[in-house]
Amino acid sequence: AQKVTQAQTEISVVEKEDVTLDCVYETRDTTYYLFWYKQPPSGELVFLIRRNSFDEQNEISGRYSWNFQKSTSSFNFTITASQVVDSAVYFCALNDNFNKFYFGSGTKLNVKP
Amino acid sequence: DAGITQSPRHKVTETGTPVTLRCHQTENHRYMYWYRQDPGHGLRLIHYSYGVKDTDKGEVSDGYSVSRSKTEDFLLTLESATSSQTSVYFCAISVHKGQGNTGELFFGEGSRLTVL
Repeated sequence: AQKVTQAQTEISVVEKEDVTLDCVYETRDTTYYLFWYKQPPSGELVFLIRRNSFDEQNEISGRYSWNFQKSTSSFNFTITASQVVDSAVYFCALNDNFNKFYFGSGTKLNVKP
Repeated sequence: DAGITQSPRHKVTETGTPVTLRCHQTENHRYMYWYRQDPGHGLRLIHYSYGVKDTDKGEVSDGYSVSRSKTEDFLLTLESATSSQTSVYFCAISVHKGQGNTGELFFGEGSRLTVL
């Protein structure tokens, strides 16, 4: 069965601190896709990144970086020099190359000034 | 902007009444989804559709039905609403990238349903 676990329910940091959000997934498929979404307090869901199972290269986009490790079934998300605007709920998701997307329960990030 | 519109955005209803939520897209995407979001559970798939009249169940489909008679519309119906169905409902489309359904999901703005 497919499963995504985000063990960190809520994280609080002070602005400019680095923070890592953990995501662990389970799947028996060899081809799959991993995603991160952001849900700011306004409620919309914003796509951040997609990564396929054959591409383990880390990715950096500005202050955001993602570390994909198949050996540990993890797809962690790091925000460098956090800002108040990063405060949101972040969701990790798995697509098993069929029709379904599975989401973790989310991590709420509070960035304090 | 993936052109997804959900209606109504807010609804309060009473236990036992039927409720229909509508998701409308403007870009002819094949795959459409209904999720519910509840504290501590993240987003859970209710039903999804892979074409006109082609639908399948998700992980929390009990008490819900769906219909897709046109590519652009995906309806979610609660035949007899219960308080446990109080939630925020999100519609989503998947932008198909090729073989398999590997595109990311784009979400509507959500519909907040309260069942008293």
